[in-house]
Amino acid sequence: KAGVTQTPRYLIKTRGQQVTLSCSPISGHRSVSWYQQTPGQGLQFLFEYFSETQRNKGNFPGRFSGRQFSNSRSEMNVSTLELGDSALYLCASSFRVLSYNSPLHFGNGTRLTVT
Amino acid sequence: SQQGEEDPQALSIQEGENATMNCSYKTSINNLQWYRQNSGRGLVHLILIRSNEREKHSGRLRVTLDTSKKSSSLLITASRAADTASYFCATGGPWARGNDMRFGAGTRLTVKP
Repeated sequence: KAGVTQTPRYLIKTRGQQVTLSCSPISGHRSVSWYQQTPGQGLQFLFEYFSETQRNKGNFPGRFSGRQFSNSRSEMNVSTLELGDSALYLCASSFRVLSYNSPLHFGNGTRLTVT
Repeated sequence: SQQGEEDPQALSIQEGENATMNCSYKTSINNLQWYRQNSGRGLVHLILIRSNEREKHSGRLRVTLDTSKKSSSLLITASRAADTASYFCATGGPWARGNDMRFGAGTRLTVKP
């Protein structure tokens, strides 16, 4: 089985711009969750999508949004970028919804740098 | 918000030695999972232990869970240089706001050849 694929691998944007990140889950996985990883805050949960519905959202401003398509692929969008949005953004897929005893399979992430 | 806290923050050992990492958490959980991350890469799932289990083994890994103390430990036996990585514990809800996964700050393990 192919693993979780995240594109692009690296992104450099300037403040005020917006960005869209993509995640293709493992075939058959319907849950996709997104995480932000920074040296200061660690791994922070952004949101989870399951069968095209957002199930839960972490404590992030409305500039962070996402969606999931019928083939389970997911996109995450950040509008009006700020310097503090520089981070490694990870997506993970799982067979069941988050926390229901189903391991997460992570992609290698998108490294976003905001200048 | 972070739920788990790993201890120690960093650990340096010689190849062949055992490495023990601890994780504490604050609220009730469905399960606790351990992940490994090599620098700048995605996380790799190591082991999942359910809230009604006390111990689990997978190869050189041994995980224990004590729900009364809200703590878990990960033991890596006979460590190798390739085990050098950051290790995270993650707890699965449900929480009041809905289901999510909460990660600790991680333990940075260095195994010297």
